[in-house]
Amino acid sequence: DQQVKQNSPSLSVQEGRISILNCDYTNSMFDYFLWYKKYPAEGPTFLISISSIKDKNEDGRFTVFLNKSAKHLSLHIVPSQPGDSAVYFCAASASSSGTYKYIFGTGTRLKVLA
Amino acid sequence: GAGVSQSPRYKVAKRGQDVALRCDPISGHVSLFWYQQALGQGPEFLTYFQNEAQLDKSGLPSDRFFAERPEGSVSTLKIQRTQQEDSAVYLCASSLAHRGTDTQYFGPGTRLTVL
Repeated sequence: DQQVKQNSPSLSVQEGRISILNCDYTNSMFDYFLWYKKYPAEGPTFLISISSIKDKNEDGRFTVFLNKSAKHLSLHIVPSQPGDSAVYFCAASASSSGTYKYIFGTGTRLKVLA
Repeated sequence: GAGVSQSPRYKVAKRGQDVALRCDPISGHVSLFWYQQALGQGPEFLTYFQNEAQLDKSGLPSDRFFAERPEGSVSTLKIQRTQQEDSAVYLCASSLAHRGTDTQYFGPGTRLTVL
C-alpha cells in the first residue's frame, strides 16, 4: 500500500523554465511534508518542508504547495538550473501522532537541459 | 559543521555472513533513524532511537536485523545471516530533537551487496 505516490518517474525541463514535481498521498493523518533532493552516491538532502496548517511555503527558487482536500503537494523550481538535475523525493509524516518516521515516494528524476 | 557520516560506504557480503553498519549522527542530535532504500525505490523506515532508547522498530523486516545506540550517539545496524534480498542502500538520519517537525538529515548511506 503506497501511502505516498510520485507518479512521474522522470521529467525533463529546459534551463530557465519552471519544473513542477508532483506528489499524492492517501493517509489523512499526515500533517508534515518534505522534499528531498538526491544525487548519485549521496544521501538525500533536505530542500523544503510544509506543515498542513499552510498551503504554501517558499524558499528562494523552491516553492511547495499543499492541497489538503486533494491530498496533493507539488514542488515548483523556478528558474530551473542544470545543477537541479537529481532525483527528488517527496516525504510525509504524521508528526502529531508521536510517530516521527518519514514515508517516502518512489522519486522523480529531474533532468534540466542546458 | 560535520554532517551525518556512515561507514563503510560499500560492503560486499557472502550470503549467510553477518554485517555491521555504523552511523555517526550530527553532534547533539537526539533522534536517529535507519532507512533501507532498494534500487529504484524511496527510502523505507526501519527503526528510530531517541537518545539510547529504541522507540520504534516496526520497520525491521525480520529478527535478523538488530540496531543499537548504547550511549545515545553512534548507532550500529547489524544484519545476521545476510540474504540476497538484504542488498540495498542503508541510510541513517538524525534530527535535533524529538518533535515531528524536526528535519531529518541523512548520511551518504552504506551500499550493501549480498552475493
